[in-house]
Amino acid sequence: DQQVKQNSPSLSVQEGRISILNCDYTNSMFDYFLWYKKYPAEGPTFLISISSIKDKNEDGRFTVFLNKSAKHLSLHIVPSQPGDSAVYFCAASWPGGAQKLVFGQGTRLTINP
Amino acid sequence: DAGVIQSPRHEVTEMGQEVTLRCKPISGHDYLFWYRQTMMRGLELLIYFNNNVPIDDSGMPEDRFSAKMPNASFSTLKIQPSEPRDSAVYFCASRDERGSTDTQYFGPGTRLTVL
Repeated sequence: DQQVKQNSPSLSVQEGRISILNCDYTNSMFDYFLWYKKYPAEGPTFLISISSIKDKNEDGRFTVFLNKSAKHLSLHIVPSQPGDSAVYFCAASWPGGAQKLVFGQGTRLTINP
Repeated sequence: DAGVIQSPRHEVTEMGQEVTLRCKPISGHDYLFWYRQTMMRGLELLIYFNNNVPIDDSGMPEDRFSAKMPNASFSTLKIQPSEPRDSAVYFCASRDERGSTDTQYFGPGTRLTVL
């Protein structure tokens, strides 16, 4: 049972354009969401997060949007750069979840010059 | 800080052999997590420790898998006997309970191939 789903295994975007990565979740108890970025042969690194009390969080070129009613979040990257090419994982946690994170399957983003 | 350290980075073994993966968390972190990454299932949590004590091992696939954390700076994940379906990338991550977010810091992973 995948509680966090990233339905697009891959996404290709032209350099300079906007990249939008999507994530859906099923557990309404989730109250904190994170995005991780992973380069080949490296571990995932934290990118940006959002609490369920917010619907938007920005950090430079990266913005995460949360739609609680739809149980959906998205990561926007503007403008996209070649160095953004990586696998992006969405993750969620919940109060009383004892520090556990539930990850999606990941989306491979390729930025084309 | 050197970050989370894992060894070996790559392991190739034959079916039936014992495999031991090692992890050194970031100094001062209270939590240690073991994950497995596969194409089909993405990142799955196998087990995690708090202050060296196993808290939740519900993600461990079967009895062939075991994990220990003898002290705050070292943990092992052992597979005995290994099978081809265990081939995956295994990550260790750590977290500081005093941190303001649920951010976990990952090591570079161990790519395991069981022939």
